[in-house]
Amino acid sequence: QKEVEQDPGPLSVPEGAIVSLNCTYSNSAFQYFMWYRQYSRKGPELLMYTYSSGNKEDGRFTAQVDKSSKYISLFIRDSQPSDSATYLCAMSGGYQKVTFGTGTKLQVIP
Amino acid sequence: DTGVSQDPRHKITKRGQNVTFRCDPISEHNRLYWYRQTLGQGPEFLTYFQNEAQLEKSRLLSDRFSAERPKGSFSTLEIQRTEQGDSAMYLCASGLPPEQFFGPGTRLTVL
Repeated sequence: QKEVEQDPGPLSVPEGAIVSLNCTYSNSAFQYFMWYRQYSRKGPELLMYTYSSGNKEDGRFTAQVDKSSKYISLFIRDSQPSDSATYLCAMSGGYQKVTFGTGTKLQVIP
Repeated sequence: DTGVSQDPRHKITKRGQNVTFRCDPISEHNRLYWYRQTLGQGPEFLTYFQNEAQLEKSRLLSDRFSAERPKGSFSTLEIQRTEQGDSAMYLCASGLPPEQFFGPGTRLTVL
């Protein structure tokens, strides 16, 4: 079993929809929870991160962490075609290595 | 541009050849990481440096792989006797997690 599980999709939604992306994990030592966006053939771009449990909002993006369930989510409001990309969840126990999910491919249809 | 840069962006090589990739991190970052990403997968950790010291190596990093960061600035990743299974995107990142910033990657194709 992988430490981080993420549905690879693809996920296809109409423009303006609310998108929900999720990951589960098994390692209780994870303290930092990140979301990256990756366009085709590019490096991952950090969107936002959360420390421990709770919510964090940044514009149209909201990240949620539920450590009791070992479940994290990223919500995208008013999705745009430019949001079409692969979204990677990532986690770390501190300042060492980061463990990534497989990524969910999102397509927002105009 | 003050981001992470990697060179070359693409490398095609024949099986058995040696290849070397370079990463230039963001200048004020003393942590530098290497990851490998294959199609349909997330990046997998290979190794990381704190200044010039290599602090951790993944089991993925076989004896054919070696990484250096001689002066605590740029880093190189060398793969000796390449195999077809080495074909992947090799990503470099700098910064302390969770604020880790990635370069554009080097895409390696082994024929």
